[in-house]
Amino acid sequence: GAVVSQHPSWVICKSGTSVKIECRSLDFQATTMFWYRQFPKQSLMLMATSNEGSKATYEQGVEKDKFLINHASLTLSTLTVTSAHPEDSSFYICSAGGQPSYGYTFGSGTRLTVV
Amino acid sequence: QKEVEQDPGPLSVPEGAIVSLNCTYSNSAFQYFMWYRQYSRKGPELLMYTYSSGNKEDGRFTAQVDKSSKYISLFIRDSQPSDSATYLCAMSVEETSGSRLTFGEGTQLTVNP
Repeated sequence: GAVVSQHPSWVICKSGTSVKIECRSLDFQATTMFWYRQFPKQSLMLMATSNEGSKATYEQGVEKDKFLINHASLTLSTLTVTSAHPEDSSFYICSAGGQPSYGYTFGSGTRLTVV
Repeated sequence: QKEVEQDPGPLSVPEGAIVSLNCTYSNSAFQYFMWYRQYSRKGPELLMYTYSSGNKEDGRFTAQVDKSSKYISLFIRDSQPSDSATYLCAMSVEETSGSRLTFGEGTQLTVNP
């Protein structure tokens, strides 16, 4: 089956620094990837939709200058949290796949802790 | 009002019990209805999906969709301790440029041996 690899699985960074999270589709090409954020005991909240070769589409309330998304190839999308603050600490998850939507595969997630 | 409502639980049942998980929704345009299982600190994995109203069975799992009532359910028969996880319902309206999934809050399930 389709596999989406997400790295790192966890990261601790100092406040004010930037962190990059990678999402790779290992055995298929993904023209569209999605980035989610999940706080403890809460659901997945869509942050942005990433389309290969074009600018990402951000959900309302998500700062595009803070959460930089790059989808430079059909197998790789990256999320960079810039100038991270403790309130950015969360579980970030990517997904990828083609239509229809039940075919999306999720990465294993990245736990970000900003100290 | 949230587009998708799901009771977050927690739900605790003995091994072998039948588990019923439910979601309601408000957007009548939703076409696909999915159930995901998420273990702690992991990404969600698809359990089942249904297109439109009806029932779908896969082993110990049965998914039901009632579009007239905007209500979906997941039943787990003969529940096992390994079923302990958070169960998320999700729904989508299919779009050509990438369909957005709308998730429920997730129900935390514990199956006790």
